[in-house]
Amino acid sequence: NAGVMQNPRHLVRRRGQEARLRCSPMKGHSHVYWYRQLPEEGLKFMVYLQKENIIDESGMPKERFSAEFPKEGPSILRIQQVVRGDSAAYFCASSPERNTDTQYFGPGTRLTVL
Amino acid sequence: GESVGLHLPTLSVQEGDNSIINCAYSNSASDYFIWYKQESGKGPQFIIDIRSNMDKRQGQRVTVLLNKTVKHLSLQIAATQPGDSAVYFCAVTSGGSYIPTFGRGTSLIVHP
Repeated sequence: NAGVMQNPRHLVRRRGQEARLRCSPMKGHSHVYWYRQLPEEGLKFMVYLQKENIIDESGMPKERFSAEFPKEGPSILRIQQVVRGDSAAYFCASSPERNTDTQYFGPGTRLTVL
Repeated sequence: GESVGLHLPTLSVQEGDNSIINCAYSNSASDYFIWYKQESGKGPQFIIDIRSNMDKRQGQRVTVLLNKTVKHLSLQIAATQPGDSAVYFCAVTSGGSYIPTFGRGTSLIVHP
């Protein structure tokens, strides 16, 4: 039973480029959450999605960041016009039901902006 | 809102000792608590959870204690092994929210 998968594991971008991070939830899970982790810090919630719906994006910056979870395919976190401050580890988690509180995390994508 | 803090950023122990990692939270309405382990370069891994209607829960070599009076949570690891070396996070969820608030993490270092 494959866990949460994320790719790429490492992503290097220059300032002004776009970054696309992908997340495939665990089999049978229809809820996806994105978090950002800065060095030496805990995880900060960004966005919660179900298939084709954004449920809560209260933790996501209003500009340059967007997320989607299409009917088919992985969830995508997209960062446009990246800046050095976007450098961080981005983790995706999934759960089968919103009411099931336990979220299972993927290995993360480490974004470095040069 | 919720704030979650850990008492010690780093904990060093000898192999075979018991480890205790602490966490404090601020919201008395918090009702679900999770401990995660994060090894270097990996995502957080679920260890154990507890709900507010309990004060103790045991797993394999791990015990979570919840003291709602002082809003304190601890993770005890028995017979700590080098493989337990990692950063440990507590995460707290309040009032039916699906979004946990994470603490900053305690780095556990196990010396052989």
